[in-house]
Amino acid sequence: EVQLVDSGGSLVQPGRSLRLSCSASGFTFGDYAMSWVRQAPGKGLEWVGLIRNKASGGTTEYASSVKGRFTISRDDSKSIAYLQMNSLKTEDTAVYYCTRGVGISAAGSLYWGQGTLVTVSS
Amino acid sequence: QSALTQPASVSGSPGQSITIPCTGTSSDVGVYNYVSWYQQHPGKAPKLMIYGVSNRPSGVSNRFSGSKSGNTASLTISGLQAEDEADYFCNSYTSSSTYVFGPGTKVTVL
Repeated sequence: EVQLVDSGGSLVQPGRSLRLSCSASGFTFGDYAMSWVRQAPGKGLEWVGLIRNKASGGTTEYASSVKGRFTISRDDSKSIAYLQMNSLKTEDTAVYYCTRGVGISAAGSLYWGQGTLVTVSS
Repeated sequence: QSALTQPASVSGSPGQSITIPCTGTSSDVGVYNYVSWYQQHPGKAPKLMIYGVSNRPSGVSNRFSGSKSGNTASLTISGLQAEDEADYFCNSYTSSSTYVFGPGTKVTVL
């Protein structure tokens, strides 16, 4: 059974950093791209970014709202994806989900973590 | 601001069919068949209902169907049921190698 467990969310001050983790099990983690999606309180879904599998270069893509501040990485030996968030802003307050696609690409997020809440406030 | 547009709300009576449009541009919906739809009930994680414009994941009811014409993708729910009341979000791949969500549509079963 595919499982994604998101962790690392907390209350953090504006301008500080935070790293989220997504622990995966039930599939060959290294074969799949992984994505991050966030949802601000009472708002819609916002795509944050993705990291491709190593076979596709392990490259990353980001939404313009987080580009230059957020970094996605992966440790295939531990089956963990990370979201490093720097220079956090109050508008980054949201529940953050990691997702895995139907296939090896990021398209069609079939599996979702339970989400982890990040609150950016002074 | 979302690059995709959806109506804020759609409603229907039990048993009826409703369609939710998702309008993009020639840089996303119009040129890629990577359109997906998600259902989200309050307090829950989103659930994939349709991927690749018209494909249903295993376990999703065949009352849900997807299609695309030009720059507009659509999700149709047939035989509307009370449990279908939820928020629905469309998503598309873009020419910038990123993905984008629509703002979401609240479906109400009357």
